[in-house]
Amino acid sequence: DTAVSQTPKYLVTQMGNDKSIKCEQNLGHDTMYWYKQDSKKFLKIMFSYNNKELIINETVPNRFSPKSPDKAHLNLHINSLELGDSAVYFCASSKTRNYEQYFGPGTRLTVT
Amino acid sequence: AQSVAQPEDQVNVAEGNPLTVKCTYSVSGNPYLFWYVQYPNRGLQFLLKYITGDNLVKGSYGFEAEFNKSQTSFHLKKPSALVSDSALYFCAVRDDPPNDYKLSFGAGTTVTVRA
Repeated sequence: DTAVSQTPKYLVTQMGNDKSIKCEQNLGHDTMYWYKQDSKKFLKIMFSYNNKELIINETVPNRFSPKSPDKAHLNLHINSLELGDSAVYFCASSKTRNYEQYFGPGTRLTVT
Repeated sequence: AQSVAQPEDQVNVAEGNPLTVKCTYSVSGNPYLFWYVQYPNRGLQFLLKYITGDNLVKGSYGFEAEFNKSQTSFHLKKPSALVSDSALYFCAVRDDPPNDYKLSFGAGTTVTVRA
């Protein structure tokens, strides 16, 4: 009964490929997020959806495209992968603003 | 924009001793502050938050944090540290409206508790 789950856990791919990461939450939350954690453990918000509407879209290359088919799911598609995309990507969810966020276990993306 | 700073990259304490992880904040309005912990190869876990009310906030795993408006600080504390508290700790602040879904995180503080 995992609260926030992500697939895959590890993703190794070559430069130029296109890949997707999936996220699902079973907490009944309205808001979902994508974060990127770099090799120095610095954590940065990328996107957020509230009730399937995009509400946060940080300065992220347009090779990254989020999609929220419903409130419980938020996927991240990455086109033309680059070496600099190597990082751990975390999905999170919350009831709404002011509430704590619940994080998934992360997807470690390695681009070779 | 709101921001937090964690002045220490690392904190080392002996088991049984008090643990303090420092955080200072910069906000233009009312501060909404959070502490999270990340164990190796895991996602972040929520520890506690301050929105309003008592300056001493109690959270999970015996942690508490003290909100100090005059010093713009929100330090995380635990009276008696355990080896299992060794982890990476993040302080975070909520942005002001209309970006109030966004959390900005500090750079993190690695805590090592030695037996």
